[in-house]
Amino acid sequence: DAGITQSPRYKITETGRQVTLMCHQTWSHSYMFWYRQDLGHGLRLIYYSAAADITDKGEVPDGYVVSRSKTENFPLTLESATRSQTSVYFCASRRGEGLGYGYTFGSGTRLTVV
Amino acid sequence: AQTVTQSQPEMSVQEAETVTLSCTYDTSESDYYLFWYKQPPSRQMILVIRQEAYKQQNATENRFSVNFQKAAKSFSLKISDSQLGDAAMYFCAYRSATGANSKLTFGKGITLSVRP
Repeated sequence: DAGITQSPRYKITETGRQVTLMCHQTWSHSYMFWYRQDLGHGLRLIYYSAAADITDKGEVPDGYVVSRSKTENFPLTLESATRSQTSVYFCASRRGEGLGYGYTFGSGTRLTVV
Repeated sequence: AQTVTQSQPEMSVQEAETVTLSCTYDTSESDYYLFWYKQPPSRQMILVIRQEAYKQQNATENRFSVNFQKAAKSFSLKISDSQLGDAAMYFCAYRSATGANSKLTFGKGITLSVRP
């Protein structure tokens, strides 16, 4: 029962560098999401995807890029990392089309931009 | 846009006692879902309980129950017989029942500590 796997668990990068956070799910869920968690803000949606090759912006998309060429993978790329992007990033998926389903989350990636 | 408010940043409870975590939300919709998630120090987000707005009966999961007041737009979580393992951050979340693309909107969270 692998579920959702995020990698790396911890990452330190320098300002201006490109960094990609990986997310892999084993269920073939249609919907996948990227959230960032910051103290005092809770979790905020960055991007989401309804299916392979279908992505859309969330609440805080600036500075991020996503792709979804395969249903099981949903990588998040910071094209030029800034210190304000220091955060904990969570990937999540939703089982099926039913609206009552909650989300299943990965273990998160703690990203520090120095 | 929907908003979720958790006004208490921190709470503390004595082991074996009962504690209630508050959550309010703002929406113009009549059909939606509400959730409580637990985040222990491991950082894992764990679904605790779910409530469907069109159901009047409050959801219950073992020691966890909710008090859902639809007219007041209130969704509090009650933890009975608190245990040390309940210490975590708790998030309240809202999801519209309109449209397959509806997303979870989270509150800012509340940190619960349990005193032995």
